[in-house]
Amino acid sequence: SQTIHQWPATLVQPVGSPLSLECTVEGTSNPNLYWYRQAAGRGLQLLFYSVGIGQISSEVPQNLSASRPQDRQFILSSKKLLLSDSGFYLCAWIRDGYNEQFFGPGTRLTVL
Amino acid sequence: AQSVAQPEDQVNVAEGNPLTVKCTYSVSGNPYLFWYVQYPNRGLQFLLKYITGDNLVKGSYGFEAEFNKSQTSFHLKKPSALVSDSALYFCAVLGYSSASKIIFGSGTRLSIRP
Repeated sequence: SQTIHQWPATLVQPVGSPLSLECTVEGTSNPNLYWYRQAAGRGLQLLFYSVGIGQISSEVPQNLSASRPQDRQFILSSKKLLLSDSGFYLCAWIRDGYNEQFFGPGTRLTVL
Repeated sequence: AQSVAQPEDQVNVAEGNPLTVKCTYSVSGNPYLFWYVQYPNRGLQFLLKYITGDNLVKGSYGFEAEFNKSQTSFHLKKPSALVSDSALYFCAVLGYSSASKIIFGSGTRLSIRP
């Protein structure tokens, strides 16, 4: 069966520090991968998605970047965090085609 | 551009009563529609989807949703609510022309009182 992992589960970082959040998927190959941010327990904002290794699509201009160095690994990064980067970050994957997404457990990021 | 709207921020229902969480969508082509549930500090869990076929779709935990093409709606329903159904519910749409992007609504908080 397929599983999706995210780490760390929680993170507290000072403003201006770098960020690296990791997402990995097991039990599938060539998944589409997504990063979302959820602020204040409400709507999801799609940040990035990837249909293959090295292929990244950015949805909104921001302080963050994403990379996909391996087929089942998706990384969210920042060189310098802002207060507004605080939130709940969710990684998700989808089988190729028109199917539902499966979400990881999320990372709660607090920038102080 | 594809979009999905959940007009209610919060829905309050007494336990045992039927519940409805509303969702409307806008997409070119045939829509692929989904409902997800989120419990506090957790990732989203898939409930059900409409791809094609019967307009009434049955999903997990006794939930069902009705696809209405003329009203561009996909409301989530349950005949008898449980306190444990209290959570945040998201409707989502995948447009035929955007194979890789699923767009989520703003979410509706469902509160079931004993």
